[in-house]
Amino acid sequence: AQSVTQLDSQVPVFEEAPVELRCNYSSSVSVYLFWYVQYPNQGLQLLLKYLSGSTLVKGINGFEAEFNKSQTSFHLRKPSVHISDTAEYFCAVSGPGTNAGKSTFGDGTTLTVKP
Amino acid sequence: DGGITQSPKYLFRKEGQNVTLSCEQNLNHDAMYWYRQDPGQGLRLIYYSQIVNDFQKGDIAEGYSVSREKKESFPLTVTSAQKNPTAFYLCASGARGETQYFGPGTRLLVL
Repeated sequence: AQSVTQLDSQVPVFEEAPVELRCNYSSSVSVYLFWYVQYPNQGLQLLLKYLSGSTLVKGINGFEAEFNKSQTSFHLRKPSVHISDTAEYFCAVSGPGTNAGKSTFGDGTTLTVKP
Repeated sequence: DGGITQSPKYLFRKEGQNVTLSCEQNLNHDAMYWYRQDPGQGLRLIYYSQIVNDFQKGDIAEGYSVSREKKESFPLTVTSAQKNPTAFYLCASGARGETQYFGPGTRLLVL
């Protein structure tokens, strides 16, 4: 079985400050890791993903994440946030052949960027 | 344009009524998924399908039914057995275990 824990349900931050959204996972097999963003009343869209290779992954809108296998973490970071980054962020785990291709999502982190 | 569409955007259900949510994709993906999202919560998997004419229950399948007669389509029926159907429903498609592409969602409300 696989699971995802997003350690912060809400993260308030001022504009142009750095931010980190934390995600830990558990799985007995190799994993793929994803971060998705959801704006109000919309579907989710992919920010970035880790499948294999370099542990530092860069995504859209200036976000990046680092896969840390020993700590089973996949934290999302951005060096300077904008008001438009205000949204819900979801970490997800899946894997080749695990659970018939299902993804497991965390409960989400609400990022609020204040002026 | 390739993508995944859901309709309607809003749907109202009367007590005892079955309603069907539409999901269509032209991304040529084998796998399709239905999720339920409640306020302040994450996504819970209702049903998923890895191939045409085959589907499996997710974590909260009770009160829901699906069909997968075509690769492009994966409609979800919310039956009268689902006693608390008010939620935001998201459909997704993707390659097995890989990135999922989400539709814009359907908000279901009970009259």
